[in-house]
Amino acid sequence: ILNVEQSPQSLHVQEGDSTNFTCSFPSSNFYALHWYRWETAKSPEALFVMTLNGDEKKKGRISATLNTKEGYSYLYIKGSQPEDSATYLCASGPGSARQLTFGSGTQLTVLP
Amino acid sequence: SAVISQKPSRDICQRGTSLTIQCQVDSQVTMMFWYRQQPGQSLTLIATANQGSEATYESGFVIDKFPISRPNLTFSTLTVSNMSPEDSSIYLCSVMEGGTEAFFGQGTRLTVV
Repeated sequence: ILNVEQSPQSLHVQEGDSTNFTCSFPSSNFYALHWYRWETAKSPEALFVMTLNGDEKKKGRISATLNTKEGYSYLYIKGSQPEDSATYLCASGPGSARQLTFGSGTQLTVLP
Repeated sequence: SAVISQKPSRDICQRGTSLTIQCQVDSQVTMMFWYRQQPGQSLTLIATANQGSEATYESGFVIDKFPISRPNLTFSTLTVSNMSPEDSSIYLCSVMEGGTEAFFGQGTRLTVV
């Protein structure tokens, strides 16, 4: 995998459902994996920065896991709420490139 | 954390004109990054702006089209020149603190008609 890829591109769930999405990234020369939440008309906001293989981080109802050997990370949202509606971006880097490489995002819509 | 004020938040521009986007950071930072997100695409790095030197552009982006200024350690501008409908995108400025977490401006949603 040369680029950072996210799936699905978009997702609609009902309020209260749990959901998850995937980020795939190059496993060679790994430095860090970032997750951001981007709400419309607002700045992207950092959720997690993960560096260790097998790491799992949690913030409220949102959690993320990291597998650096196979090059993927999962983001989980438990009991989705309408305010979780946003685009979720993952990014790999910066490392020696001193820049982040972003995926195209997963657009989540939580229906009340 | 860094707080970045970016403006304008949105604009609709005629083709052939230019738009300058401004970003003000509440602290001094060495590097500022300018990104573009075209519809359905990834956030793509346009260039890295360093104070006191020319910006470093990524492949596919040139200074004549996207001139950047970085007059001090808290401010930068990106100009989108001679615009065409293909320049319709969200433009974001960003800084990284501690080489890890990135902070972003609110974005500029540009529509070229």
